[in-house]
Amino acid sequence: QVQLVQSGGGLVNPGGSLRLSCVASGFTFSDYYMNWIRQAPGKGPEWVAYISGSGSTKYYADSGKVRFTISRDNAKNSVFLEMNSLRAADTAVYYCARGSDQSSSPVDCWGQGTLVFVTS
Amino acid sequence: DIVMTQSPDSLAVSLGERATINCKSSQSVLYSSNNKSYLAWYQQKPGQPPKLLIYWASTRESGVPDRISGSGSGTDFTLTISSLQAEDVAIYYCQQYYSTPLTFGPGTTVAVK
Repeated sequence: QVQLVQSGGGLVNPGGSLRLSCVASGFTFSDYYMNWIRQAPGKGPEWVAYISGSGSTKYYADSGKVRFTISRDNAKNSVFLEMNSLRAADTAVYYCARGSDQSSSPVDCWGQGTLVFVTS
Repeated sequence: DIVMTQSPDSLAVSLGERATINCKSSQSVLYSSNNKSYLAWYQQKPGQPPKLLIYWASTRESGVPDRISGSGSGTDFTLTISSLQAEDVAIYYCQQYYSTPLTFGPGTTVAVK
């Protein structure tokens, strides 16, 4: 079955960095856009970034455009989110999530989520 | 950016009764070339990631019970639960995927009266 298993995250000081990872299984990974979506405590989901199946197309929300980098390794069925210069406002549960073979698509499968807590 | 709004913020419905949630986008999410509205609905229960219920505004995801339906086009959309069950207690979000940034509504909490 389709599965996304996340790792990374945790407690980090303001200004620090973290790398989130997500390993996919149960589908042809390279065929799909992959997203990172976050959800602050008590808030709705906020899309962060997506990357095309080949990795050639990437889009970011303004909140992470300079500080975050999305990447993927299709040989390892993995997608990553590198986050730098973290701020308290970045505190959230981060989800990797599968799109489709098109850039404009809903998200039909989500990872279990990983908490990023930015605090001094 | 396309701003999504939802109403009401919360609602309490008796078991077996109808629940209706509205979603509005700040601009049309209807793509004229294929006549599809790029609108999805998700359900989220505590401690879980959101679950896709509806896409293209009215297409039910596999496994979603037929008491849950979506309707609307352009800028105005509705999610209907025709006969509320206990397992439907959750927060419901609409989302547009017409353009980046993909944006979600603030959510509607559905509870049992």
